[in-house]
Amino acid sequence: ETGVTQSPTHLIKTRGQQVTLRCSSQSGHNTVSWYQQALGQGPQFIFQYYREEENGRGNFPPRFSGLQFPNYSSELNVNALELDDSALYLCASSSILAGVDEQYFGPGTRLTVT
Amino acid sequence: TQLLEQSPQFLSIQEGENLTVYCNSSSVFSSLQWYRQEPGEGPVLLVTVVTGGEVKKLKRLTFQFGDARKDSSLHITAAQPGDTGLYLCAGSPLVFGKGTRLSVIA
Repeated sequence: ETGVTQSPTHLIKTRGQQVTLRCSSQSGHNTVSWYQQALGQGPQFIFQYYREEENGRGNFPPRFSGLQFPNYSSELNVNALELDDSALYLCASSSILAGVDEQYFGPGTRLTVT
Repeated sequence: TQLLEQSPQFLSIQEGENLTVYCNSSSVFSSLQWYRQEPGEGPVLLVTVVTGGEVKKLKRLTFQFGDARKDSSLHITAAQPGDTGLYLCAGSPLVFGKGTRLSVIA
């Protein structure tokens, strides 16, 4: 069974730039969720994708957007980067049919905005 | 907005000691998960509790879900250095606490 993978591992961007982060879900899972984790904090829910459509969103501005592909992999796009966007971005996959929100996380992408 | 409050925020103990961490909310959750996260890695699922009053054991870790499904606790018996990490509780849907950072000193 293949776990959740994310790329890249680390990324450094300049304020105002755009970034795309990628995630491959665990085999057998049909749902992908993205989280932002600032240093010393718990993960904050950004949004979830199911059947290639957004299936819930946290309190993040529209410059955070995403996609889910037919193979259940996903992208997180962030436009007009701000310094506060520096964080660990976590992707988690799950099966919405399982009835409980058990999230299986990837190792994360560490984004630094300068 | 559903919130999960975890306490204590930080805990440093000696190897062999017992400890309990708490996860509290004013909201009812249909299920609650506990995760452990190590530096530079994603959280790893430890357990899911679903039924009010439910108790689950995972080796030296005991998890309890409150009767009203608003709170949970994690008890570790005879802590070991390998238990060091950030312990996160998460409620369904998709709400995480800020975590308890545990350090077990040999």
